[in-house]
Amino acid sequence: AQSVTQLDSQVPVFEEAPVELRCNYSSSVSVYLFWYVQYPNQGLQLLLKYLSGSTLVKGINGFEAEFNKSQTSFHLRKPSVHISDTAEYFCAVNGYTGGFKTIFGAGTRLFVKA
Amino acid sequence: DAGITQSPRHKVTETGTPVTLRCHQTENHRYMYWYRQDPGHGLRLIHYSYGVKDTDKGEVSDGYSVSRSKTEDFLLTLESATSSQTSVYFCAITGTGDQGYTFGSGTRLTVV
Repeated sequence: AQSVTQLDSQVPVFEEAPVELRCNYSSSVSVYLFWYVQYPNQGLQLLLKYLSGSTLVKGINGFEAEFNKSQTSFHLRKPSVHISDTAEYFCAVNGYTGGFKTIFGAGTRLFVKA
Repeated sequence: DAGITQSPRHKVTETGTPVTLRCHQTENHRYMYWYRQDPGHGLRLIHYSYGVKDTDKGEVSDGYSVSRSKTEDFLLTLESATSSQTSVYFCAITGTGDQGYTFGSGTRLTVV
């Protein structure tokens, strides 16, 4: 079985400040890890993914995430946020269990203030 | 996204009535999924399909059924809608597990 825990439900931050959104996962099999972003009244879109290899992965809009196997974490970071980054962010894990089912965290709402 | 569409976008229905939501894709992807999104719960998997007429249950499947008679269409049916099924429903597709999902725009369902 797999599970995902997003450690913060809301993260307020000032514009141009750095931000980190935390994600921990558990799984008994090898997994792929993802971050998705959801803007208001829209569906989710893929931000970045970790499959294998380099533990630091870069995504769209200047976001990056680091996979830490020993801590089973996949935290999302951005060095300088913009107002337009205000959205909900979901961490997700996908392990092949005969159906490629993805399990999502509860989400972290990032609120960027001017 | 142009490759996946959900219909209807909004629906209000009465308790006890059947409701069917449609997901249509033009990507020829094998895997299709139905999730519901509720505050504090993120997205929870209802049902998924890994091919025509091949479907399986997710973590919150009670009260829902699905059908997939064609590669491009995946239908979600609420047999007898209840207020607890008021939610936003998302369809997602993928070709392989390492691609990530492409999501539809969602259906906001209100059961009164």
